[in-house]
Amino acid sequence: QVHLVASGGGVVQPGTSLRLSCAASDFTFSDYSMHWVRQAPGKGLEWVAVISFDGSNEHYADSVRGRFTISRDNSKNTLYLQMNSLRTEDTAVYYCGRGTGSGSFLCNYWGQGTLVTVSS
Amino acid sequence: IVMIQSPDSLAVSLGERATINCKSSQSLLSTSSSKNFLAWYQQKPGQPPKLLIYWASARESGVPDRVSGSGSGTDFTLTISSLQAEDVAVYYCQQYYNSPITFGQGTRLEIK
Repeated sequence: QVHLVASGGGVVQPGTSLRLSCAASDFTFSDYSMHWVRQAPGKGLEWVAVISFDGSNEHYADSVRGRFTISRDNSKNTLYLQMNSLRTEDTAVYYCGRGTGSGSFLCNYWGQGTLVTVSS
Repeated sequence: IVMIQSPDSLAVSLGERATINCKSSQSLLSTSSSKNFLAWYQQKPGQPPKLLIYWASARESGVPDRVSGSGSGTDFTLTISSLQAEDVAVYYCQQYYNSPITFGQGTRLEIK
């Protein structure tokens, strides 16, 4: 059973930064790509970013490219999302997910999310 | 790639068929693999998404066989053959053909 627990959300002001973490367990973390997806209150799903199994490749949604950075620490089984220059439109529940393979764009497990609220 | 689902919401009687459509702005069919890079997810309130279908028609482990996916190229369909109460949810299609990965806007499925 794959376990993914996102944390680090909170209430922040526009223009500030926040780092989310996703602790992974019960699978070999270093074998899989990892994703972040978000969901604004009452809205649909929006994919945010993906990182390959070894951290060598990253892809971003246009809405966050240049502001957000996805990274991972395979020694700690942890995925990160560094969010800079936050905007009110970044307010959402952020979910981390596991890809189906080392560089896969398909995600087959999602953990419970963490809420980020950007407000002045 | 833009993904458009129809309808936005759907009410179906218990035991009846539910059909959700998804159209992509470009083909999701890989000529090299002959696979369509299209997935369907189910999301219930307060929960993360759950993968139902991948490669347009492959059912994820544990998904009941009343749930099926079909289509190729740019037009895809999710069908629930006999609606059960536990199927009430929002359903999303997603393309994973290339980056940025994109979702449809979602279809809310309810009991009539």
